[in-house]
Amino acid sequence: GAGVSQSPSNKVTEKGKDVELRCDPISGHTALYWYRQSLGQGLEFLIYFQGNSAPDKSGLPSDRFSAERTGGSVSTLTIQRTQQEDSAVYLCASSLQGRDTNTGELFFGEGSRLTVL
Amino acid sequence: GNSVTQMEGPVTLSEEAFLTINCTYTATGYPSLFWYVQYPGEGLQLLLKATKADDKGSNKGFEATYRKETTSFHLEKGSVQVSDSAVYFCALSVRGATNKLIFGTGTLLAVQP
Repeated sequence: GAGVSQSPSNKVTEKGKDVELRCDPISGHTALYWYRQSLGQGLEFLIYFQGNSAPDKSGLPSDRFSAERTGGSVSTLTIQRTQQEDSAVYLCASSLQGRDTNTGELFFGEGSRLTVL
Repeated sequence: GNSVTQMEGPVTLSEEAFLTINCTYTATGYPSLFWYVQYPGEGLQLLLKATKADDKGSNKGFEATYRKETTSFHLEKGSVQVSDSAVYFCALSVRGATNKLIFGTGTLLAVQP
């Protein structure tokens, strides 16, 4: 498809299990972001990938969270030993954005809703 | 640090009413400002933006003016429709190594016929 694709759309897991969330950005977009949307908390920045540069991991809430982006395209967000407070909608966005430009237009996927029981 | 504060919702209006959703920001440097909208069951999408002071962004009848003196970017629409019911997010980006967007908490707008 032409948009940002995320999978799974819904994931229910038990506390302590690991989960992987996948994002397939728009083809040709060099920048990829992960955000977390919790009820009443707005959108929380998690991590940012830009081309071959080192990712900006400043938003990851703990070392249980990690992400990678293979071949400058698909990204996987991994949460280890999930906790109930990890329950949220995880949003991926991509952008056609260079280091010195900022159109500000991020294209978002529909999100992966994670529920930790 | 950089942050965005927007009015809490929900905001409930009747169709054709005037809408204002307040947004103020704190930023180092010179931010670009944005409004994103999330319609029910859909992903976030850019509604409008302004990249420098006194710029006015507009789209779909919505407007917002970048006010540096009051550090604000309030969203307005003269006559809302039921189809405008959505969650609205104010956001900023400061040009730099990351250019990541910093979002407000979102404001739910419900328009009743």
